Amino acid sequence: KAGVTQTPRYLIKTRGQQVTLSCSPISGHRSVSWYQQTPGQGLQFLFEYFSETQRNKGNFPGRFSGRQFSNSRSEMNVSTLELGDSALYLCASSSERRVGEQYFGPGTRLTVT
Amino acid sequence: GENVEQHPSTLSVQEGDSAVIKCTYSDSASNYFPWYKQELGKRPQLIIDIRSNVGEKKDQRIAVTLNKTAKHFSLHITETQPEDSAVYFCAASFDNNNDMRFGAGTRLTVKP
Repeated sequence: KAGVTQTPRYLIKTRGQQVTLSCSPISGHRSVSWYQQTPGQGLQFLFEYFSETQRNKGNFPGRFSGRQFSNSRSEMNVSTLELGDSALYLCASSSERRVGEQYFGPGTRLTVT
Repeated sequence: GENVEQHPSTLSVQEGDSAVIKCTYSDSASNYFPWYKQELGKRPQLIIDIRSNVGEKKDQRIAVTLNKTAKHFSLHITETQPEDSAVYFCAASFDNNNDMRFGAGTRLTVKP
């Protein structure tokens, strides 16, 4: 099976802009979770989507949003970018049979200038 | 919400020695505890996990132990090799969902 894929791999944006990141899960996995990874804060949970519905949400402001499509692909959007949003954004997919067991994509490195 | 603490933040061992990384969690309802290995510039990879109905799990040179009463779990790597050098993250999730809370990570260096 192909692994989790994310596009784009690298992105440079300016403060105030918005950005959309994409994640394609492992075939058959219907859950997609998003994480922000920074040197200072580590890995922080953003949200999880399952069957096109947000199932769990972390403690991030409303500027961070997401959605999931019927083929389980997910997108994450960040509006009004701030310098502090510079991070590696990782998505992870998991199957219903083994909830919690997550497989990560390679990440999108976002730099906000 | 769940809070996971991980120690030590850095660990350096000689090749062939053992390495132990410890994590504590705050929410007694957490029942799934995975460990991830992240090499430089790569994605986190699940290396071993344990669910709350067992106290120990082994996979070759890697083992994880769980003490539910004390709310802590540990990763044990025996006969360490230079390729074990990476950042290791512990995590805990609540009620079998995918809202995973991670520890801050341990940078393990195995010196040849």
